[in-house]
Amino acid sequence: GESVGLHLPTLSVQEGDNSIINCAYSNSASDYFIWYKQESGKGPQFIIDIRSNMDKRQGQRVTVLLNKTVKHLSLQIAATQPGDSAVYFCAENSIMNTGFQKLVFGTGTRLLVSP
Amino acid sequence: DVKVTQSSRYLVKRTGEKVFLECVQDMDHENMFWYRQDPGLGLRLIYFSYDVKMKEKGDIPEGYSVSREKKERFSLILESASTNQTSMYLCASRPNRINTGELFFGEGSRLTVL
Repeated sequence: GESVGLHLPTLSVQEGDNSIINCAYSNSASDYFIWYKQESGKGPQFIIDIRSNMDKRQGQRVTVLLNKTVKHLSLQIAATQPGDSAVYFCAENSIMNTGFQKLVFGTGTRLLVSP
Repeated sequence: DVKVTQSSRYLVKRTGEKVFLECVQDMDHENMFWYRQDPGLGLRLIYFSYDVKMKEKGDIPEGYSVSREKKERFSLILESASTNQTSMYLCASRPNRINTGELFFGEGSRLTVL
């Protein structure tokens, strides 16, 4: 079956450090992946996405790396700030029997940033 | 900016009550979704709708139903609430019918069933 999982449930870093959040996925046919950030009391917010024809994509202070060989996805946050403290979810695209595409979410990693 | 509004942030209901969770989006999106979020389980898809009056079961539809009478509104219904339906419920929308793309989420509705 399909699943998306995270290796570390909680990641604690110091302000200014770089953070790396990892995600394993099992569906080798997945062609689209997203990272979401969820702050306490709020809904998930889009951070960055990547398609399977790429292995790296950069945004502002964030980079997503995709390794299709080992079915691994990572989110790198440069110069982590206290405002980055949140739960981070990866999600992969899954094609249903009807052809409709849904997102399958991982269980989440909590990032704690200490000043 | 896309805005997905969930009418109730916090609800407390009793076992057996009928519960309505309302969601409205203002960007004319075709696709709408209901997820529930539980610690350690991530977000699980309950139902989704790819157009008005259309609905499809997600991964955990048991105990739930939905209604999409207007494009902007997607309602989640718990016909007879049970304690195991205590959870955070998240509504989301997306503009495309079958293409990939990010979901835009509401702020969530935290339901407690006593």
